[in-house]
Amino acid sequence: DAKTTQPNSMESNEEEPVHLPCNHSTISGTDYIHWYRQLPSQGPEYVIHGLTSNVNNRMASLAIAEDRKSSTLILHRATLRDAAVYYCILAYGQNFVFGPGTRLSVLP
Amino acid sequence: AAGVIQSPRHLIKEKRETATLKCYPIPRHDTVYWYQQGPGQDPQFLISFYEKMQSDKGSIPDRFSAQQFSDYHSELNMSSLELGDSALYFCASTGFLQGGPTSTDTQYFGPGTRLTVL
Repeated sequence: DAKTTQPNSMESNEEEPVHLPCNHSTISGTDYIHWYRQLPSQGPEYVIHGLTSNVNNRMASLAIAEDRKSSTLILHRATLRDAAVYYCILAYGQNFVFGPGTRLSVLP
Repeated sequence: AAGVIQSPRHLIKEKRETATLKCYPIPRHDTVYWYQQGPGQDPQFLISFYEKMQSDKGSIPDRFSAQQFSDYHSELNMSSLELGDSALYFCASTGFLQGGPTSTDTQYFGPGTRLTVL
């Protein structure tokens, strides 16, 4: 299975941008990069996904390195509701392989 | 918008009992995935179904079985429950996309069923 590496935890101040990195040096040419987040005792929530080009949606932006071996999820203005575990997932066939993720804390 | 529905939300069972978890995907979604998340752990893929046929299998114990019905809802049946089966069980669904699930599919997760085995 394709593997990802993320920092265990990060902190941000409220209303500041947050850059969550993910390394995926073994990514294959067809793997999509998905980002999900999970609040305590809730199901994972889709954030954004991309293949090669940078992507933007109402929740976040995804910056993908030219060699695709790393990516960065960007939350433009962190809010307290953004505190969660963020998972970077390389799609492998149909099922998702979740890694440890990054626990994001947002300080008021 | 309609989301993935799971029932029950909480379930308490004794060791060696059986349990059935149900998942109702988003309308018109034809693919269902089951994940297990133990305390302090990451979600682990168990099994998936596409158009009522098993499409992929992960780390699902032989004591567990699952199926997808004609209305696309799915049930996870768990027998001879063990203490280690205590976990959150998530169901996710994806929709029609060029004839079947692909790596681009966005998975929409339900709220989960918390199973406690005593």
